[in-house]
Formats: sequence, C-alpha cells, structure tokens
Amino acid sequence: GENVEQHPSTLSVQEGDSAVIKCTYSDSASNYFPWYKQELGKRPQLIIDIRSNVGEKKDQRIAVTLNKTAKHFSLHITETQPEDSAVYFCAASINTGFQKLVFGTGTRLLVSP
Amino acid sequence: DVKVTQSSRYLVKRTGEKVFLECVQDMDHENMFWYRQDPGLGLRLIYFSYDVKMKEKGDIPEGYSVSREKKERFSLILESASTNQTSMYLCASSLTDRNTEAFFGQGTRLTVV
Repeated sequence: GENVEQHPSTLSVQEGDSAVIKCTYSDSASNYFPWYKQELGKRPQLIIDIRSNVGEKKDQRIAVTLNKTAKHFSLHITETQPEDSAVYFCAASINTGFQKLVFGTGTRLLVSP
Repeated sequence: DVKVTQSSRYLVKRTGEKVFLECVQDMDHENMFWYRQDPGLGLRLIYFSYDVKMKEKGDIPEGYSVSREKKERFSLILESASTNQTSMYLCASSLTDRNTEAFFGQGTRLTVV
C-alpha cells in the first residue's frame, strides 16, 4: 500500500524566513497530494493541494511542487508569520473509483517573532 | 458549510469494554475515514468506507471494526478496548467524484484505563 514519508518532524524559523517541508510517496498510482494545517486543539484543514497533472501551484505565500518521477512533493511557505505555527501534514491519495487518503507523520512548524 | 461531527470530544473507558465512536457528515459524501493521531506518528488510517455497507482496511485495522449502515454515518468500534488504543481519533469525509478535500471532525480523545 501507499507509504508517505515527511521531513523534517520539527522546523523552527524566524518570522519572515521561508519554510520548506518535504514528502515522498511510494505508490506511483497516487494522483492527488493535499496539505493540511492543524493548529493546536483544532481539526486538520486543507491549505493547498496539487494534482498529478500539475508540477507547481501557488496561493499567496504558500506553494506546492510535485516531482512525479522522483515521487516527492514539497510545501513552501514564504515570509512566515507567527500564525503559521502549527503542525503540517502532507498526504497522498489514490482514486480508483474510491479515494484512499494516506498521511505523512507531520511537521511541527514554529515561527518565532 | 460542511460539517463532520463526532459524537464525543472526550471519552474514558475501561480495559475490555466495547467502545463505539460515531461520526456523522451532512454533505452526502461517499467516502468516510477513521484515523488515529499519535505524537510523532501522524494520522494513521484505520478503516475507510466508500459506500454504504462497504469498508476497506487501512494501515492499522487490528483491534477495530467499522459499520456504515447509512451514508451519513460511519462508526468505529473497539471490540475490547486496550490501553494502547488510548489516542485521538479523527473522522473525515470526502467526495469520490474526483480527488477532493477531506473534511475532518473535531476529534475524540479516547482514554482507556
């Protein structure tokens, strides 16, 4: 089955710096790659996603890149702010008539003022 | 506004008890998922369902079963609760049509004593 690895497990940056979180997946049939943000005590919420027919997607300060050949994808946050502090999860989804969504182990991002 | 609602926020059960965790979604989603969240291990898929009465094992199904008698409701059952099942349990739902966002419930913090 699908296996998603995520690095680093923790990431500390200064406000205004960039942050990069990387994930790899094992199943080449995976075709959808969402990223979720989970603030303390809250439920995970989607912040950006990318489909396998696209190499890069950007939404304001957040961007995601996908390399299908290498089976890895990354989240890039620019000009980080303290409110970006949270746990971020990558995921890979296979849709073969139904969706199976497998998550990485999470990255705790701490942005210091 | 999509709603995924889990029946309990906090639950304390005794070892050996049969435990039911309930999840209801109001968006007519075909897919429903149960994950457990543990520090350092991310979100691990226990079971998922893509239709009424249909279920598939995830990565860690041992000690759990599920029931989906109605499209909007997906139940996780701990047949005989054990202390190593103490965890945060998250339910999610999504559409099958194409790969789309999964919406999460608020989570149930289960403690088995």
